[in-house]
Amino acid sequence: QVQLQESGPGLVKPSETLSLTCAVSGDSISSTYYWGWIRQPPGKGLEWIGSIYHSGSTYFNPSLRSRVTVSLDTSKSQFSLSLRSVTAADTAVYYCTRRPSGYAIDYWGQGTLVTVSS
Amino acid sequence: DIQMTQSPSSLSASVGDRVTITCRASQGISHYLAWFQQKPGKAPKSLIYAASSLQSGVPSKFSGSGSGTDFTLTISSLQPEDFATYYCQQYITYPLTFGGGTKVEIK
Repeated sequence: QVQLQESGPGLVKPSETLSLTCAVSGDSISSTYYWGWIRQPPGKGLEWIGSIYHSGSTYFNPSLRSRVTVSLDTSKSQFSLSLRSVTAADTAVYYCTRRPSGYAIDYWGQGTLVTVSS
Repeated sequence: DIQMTQSPSSLSASVGDRVTITCRASQGISHYLAWFQQKPGKAPKSLIYAASSLQSGVPSKFSGSGSGTDFTLTISSLQPEDFATYYCQQYITYPLTFGGGTKVEIK
């Protein structure tokens, strides 16, 4: 059974960096998947942030590209998100996801709420 | 970016009703369309990929159709556990984009 589990601080100060990690279990993180991040502000819809392929290639939402880094750590079977210079608009539930190459997202993490506030 | 437009944004239905939700893409996306179900306070659940293929474990009361720009999600007989918000998403190109969601409420 594939499981994804997000972890990281629930509170980040404005202008600082939001950092989250997604631990993957039940499958190899080196297989042909896109590992991604999606967020959902309170009461709003879903926004794709970015993805990383097993090869290390990355893809980002143009609206966030200048502030986002996604990385893969195969030795720890996890991938990470960094979002720099956060503001209150970055307050959201952040989900990590798995998407097989050529297919749609099949697995989601449970999500973690990150609040940006001083 | 490809814009995904869902309609209606919300609907009220009764247990046993047949419900159809529409998703329209701003340009052709072939069959690269997914549907997700989200209940309050929970992560989305993957229902359908490739416009009409059920993800593993998803009951057959859910069905999807369409190709190109127009797609539908149908729930054949609405049950209490189906009251949720449904999202479509295109995955033919980056950035991946979602529809605004359709909230299915109890009448």
